[in-house]
Amino acid sequence: QQQVKQSPQSLIVQKGGISIINCAYENTAFDYFPWYQQFPGKGPALLIAIRPDVSEKKEGRFTISFNKSAKQFSLHIMDSQPGDSATYFCAASRVANDYKLSFGAGTTVTVRA
Amino acid sequence: EAQVTQNPRYLITVTGKKLTVTCSQNMNHEYMSWYRQDPGLGLRQIYYSMNVEVTDKGDVPEGYKVSRKEKRNFPLILESPSPNQTSLYFCASSSLGAGSYEQYFGPGTRLTVT
Repeated sequence: QQQVKQSPQSLIVQKGGISIINCAYENTAFDYFPWYQQFPGKGPALLIAIRPDVSEKKEGRFTISFNKSAKQFSLHIMDSQPGDSATYFCAASRVANDYKLSFGAGTTVTVRA
Repeated sequence: EAQVTQNPRYLITVTGKKLTVTCSQNMNHEYMSWYRQDPGLGLRQIYYSMNVEVTDKGDVPEGYKVSRKEKRNFPLILESPSPNQTSLYFCASSSLGAGSYEQYFGPGTRLTVT
């Protein structure tokens, strides 16, 4: 069973708009929550990550919001650009244990010019 | 250039014919892992290794073997491939240093078993 549930499966946004992807988890032992970005034909690459001791982390146009009590976290892509068109995976890990990454199913984001 | 390399990138084989997918990293990382990516399922871990001679099962280890005889290499072995192992495979590596949790992924190997 999927330990991290991700939605939506896909989304289309206009250039300059905001893309929002949501993830939920059950295992309270998770202590590291990264987002990976994958372009067609490439391996995933780390985009941004957060630890559970903070509620928000921003890097450029990308922001993670984290709600520990609800066991949910989300990725916001501000001012979306065509170059942001990719598949995004949320993940959760127990870095204090085995570094195992449990991935969500992925969201394909298409940014229309 | 720091990287994870995989070979081959594409492979078509027949049921039951043993194959090996190689993975190598040049970052002196302790941790290495194999994942398979299937539509609608994301990436699922097959096996991982915390260091040389230390390997353990991930979520979907059935039908796969691994070995870690050298720090830089982590080959994935399919002793008797079956069609349900048709997938996109990724190798990843990471340092186990404090505060360093990023996993670096290889370019992927697309395997088709007929």
